[in-house]
Amino acid sequence: GQQLNQSPQSMFIQEGEDVSMNCTSSSIFNTWLWYKQEPGEGPVLLIALYKAGELTSNGRLTAQFGITRKDSFLNISASIPSDVGIYFCAGHRRVQGAQKLVFGQGTRLTINP
Amino acid sequence: NAGVTQTPKFQVLKTGQSMTLQCAQDMNHEYMSWYRQDPGMGLRLIHYSVGAGITDQGEVPNGYNVSRSTTEDFPLRLLSAAPSQTSVYFCASSYSSGTSFYEQFFGPGTRLTVL
Repeated sequence: GQQLNQSPQSMFIQEGEDVSMNCTSSSIFNTWLWYKQEPGEGPVLLIALYKAGELTSNGRLTAQFGITRKDSFLNISASIPSDVGIYFCAGHRRVQGAQKLVFGQGTRLTINP
Repeated sequence: NAGVTQTPKFQVLKTGQSMTLQCAQDMNHEYMSWYRQDPGMGLRLIHYSVGAGITDQGEVPNGYNVSRSTTEDFPLRLLSAAPSQTSVYFCASSYSSGTSFYEQFFGPGTRLTVL
């Protein structure tokens, strides 16, 4: 099945550093999404992007919807310990009325205090 | 609101056993779905439903059945468990009308091990 290519797979950084991760696809999506998953929990939506070229911020998080509609990136500035988790990108499209999400493999973020 | 609830949280099965994973939501969402999460694979769609009485297959439906008799509940049935079905299972729900995107809310997951 189709998946998005997300990189890097893991990151080990110092507290206070900036983080960047990205996602690419061979297919076009109408909406790009970024989720965060903490241990023992389901993914939680961080940012949704609706238009090609759109740049959206949510606090220290910034994400962009690529011009080609086939990629997106997420930046986290000045990382803090609570940023630890797995970050997933997802592409959204509607197929016969149903919402279909295709997920990337995830980026596991570890922060050294 | 409780949101999306899943039971059980953990389950161990032997090969060939059957079981049902429960999912319920109290947000009156039309759309519900089941995903499985495997290491390095992200989440993959198993089955979904756009409303009571309507279900359809996702990306990896083999070995699983679903039904949607009410808006609130969307159980996932494993007919004859296999070790390849060892995974973490997430249920999600959202509104679903028109062409807009609606946020999917995920449950806390069920960790299933098949021996």
